[in-house]
Amino acid sequence: AQTVTQSQPEMSVQEAETVTLSCTYDTSESDYYLFWYKQPPSRQMILVIRQEAYKQQNATENRFSVNFQKAAKSFSLKISDSQLGDAAMYFCAYRTDSGGGADGLTFGKGTHLIIQP
Amino acid sequence: ETGVTQTPRHLVMGMTNKKSLKCEQHLGHNAMYWYKQSAKKPLELMFVYSLEERVENNSVPSRFSPECPNSSHLFLHLHTLQPEDSALYLCASSQDLWDFEEQYFGPGTRLTVT
Repeated sequence: AQTVTQSQPEMSVQEAETVTLSCTYDTSESDYYLFWYKQPPSRQMILVIRQEAYKQQNATENRFSVNFQKAAKSFSLKISDSQLGDAAMYFCAYRTDSGGGADGLTFGKGTHLIIQP
Repeated sequence: ETGVTQTPRHLVMGMTNKKSLKCEQHLGHNAMYWYKQSAKKPLELMFVYSLEERVENNSVPSRFSPECPNSSHLFLHLHTLQPEDSALYLCASSQDLWDFEEQYFGPGTRLTVT
């Protein structure tokens, strides 16, 4: 079974600075997909960024980028120029390339990101 | 707003009660999901539906009974729950069941079993 580990229960960063959230996963699959979801205090979870394992190029979405190290099974999220609106729980998630999607997402426990003004 | 709504937002029920959670998506998606979010634990996938057909049941106790009458609505019927079932129940939808699809989550129903 796949597992996703987020070793940082909580992180704090000054506004406008950069922060990196770590995520590691365990799988025997070679093709899979990785995601970072954000859950603000309002509780509606939204997708931040995603990565296809067969692509070596790291995904980027504006201030958000990932450092995907397939051999190390590591998928960290970097947030540049942190803003107060970035404060949330961040979940790393994995999905196998099953061809049918029936496995859903496997989530980590989450990292609570605090932005200090 | 993600286009996925859930009602009620909060629910307190006794162990002998029967209640239902409702999820509705306004996105024209074909796949819907139920997740359970407990404190200090990762989100757990409970059920997956595609075009109103259940495609996954992740060893969920029978006291949880899903229903998907059409591709826009998903219910979770609850009966004789246990206190450990108290959690945030999240509904999600995606265009299809493809693995790289973004899932759109509802705000959740905070369930407390007394």
